[in-house]
Amino acid sequence: EPEVTQTPSHQVTQMGQEVILRCVPISNHLYFYWYRQILGQKVEFLVSFYNNEISEKSEIFDDQFSVERPDGSNFTLKIRSTKLEDSAMYFCASWDGQFRGTQYFGPGTRLLVL
Amino acid sequence: DAKTTQPNSMESNEEEPVHLPCNHSTISGTDYIHWYRQLPSQGPEYVIHGLTSNVNNRMASLAIAEDRKSSTLILHRATLRDAAVYYCILQNSGNTPLVFGKGTRLSVIA
Repeated sequence: EPEVTQTPSHQVTQMGQEVILRCVPISNHLYFYWYRQILGQKVEFLVSFYNNEISEKSEIFDDQFSVERPDGSNFTLKIRSTKLEDSAMYFCASWDGQFRGTQYFGPGTRLLVL
Repeated sequence: DAKTTQPNSMESNEEEPVHLPCNHSTISGTDYIHWYRQLPSQGPEYVIHGLTSNVNNRMASLAIAEDRKSSTLILHRATLRDAAVYYCILQNSGNTPLVFGKGTRLSVIA
């Protein structure tokens, strides 16, 4: 069964450093999402991406964040200058645009900012 | 998206049926009811969704009240692998982001 993959599974970085989280969505999917989950808290929406542009973003997704689909397969989330509070699990998800809103999630990247 | 209310936690014995309730009294006519679950240390996983009629798939059944103000996710025979947080989510349009609440933490006892 096709699945969403994410790399790396874990990332440790120093505050102020840039990180790039990578995702490979399911190949025929059209909509892509990033969510995050701070330890012990709810899963929160960050951004959605369709047709090579951001379609929606939350208040969390400020100027420090950016997303890109650099080629036909990868979907990346960049955090320009990490803060301690960016420590979280980051999930990528994708949807094929057909089967009523069913999003497929990746296994996540655990980001720890020191 | 309209708000949902779920119990914080539930417990079930292995191989017993489990009924996970969800209230969504402010649901609109075009909101679909989705259920996702999150196993420990994993990403959310789609379980089932419906609009008005009851739905069955290989994972679970979804029973939707006639007035659509509540729904129940039914796991017919709980296994230890079903221990997870279950989220009931309303979604008005297919491309809109999912809004996760705290969900119901299901514990399954052997």
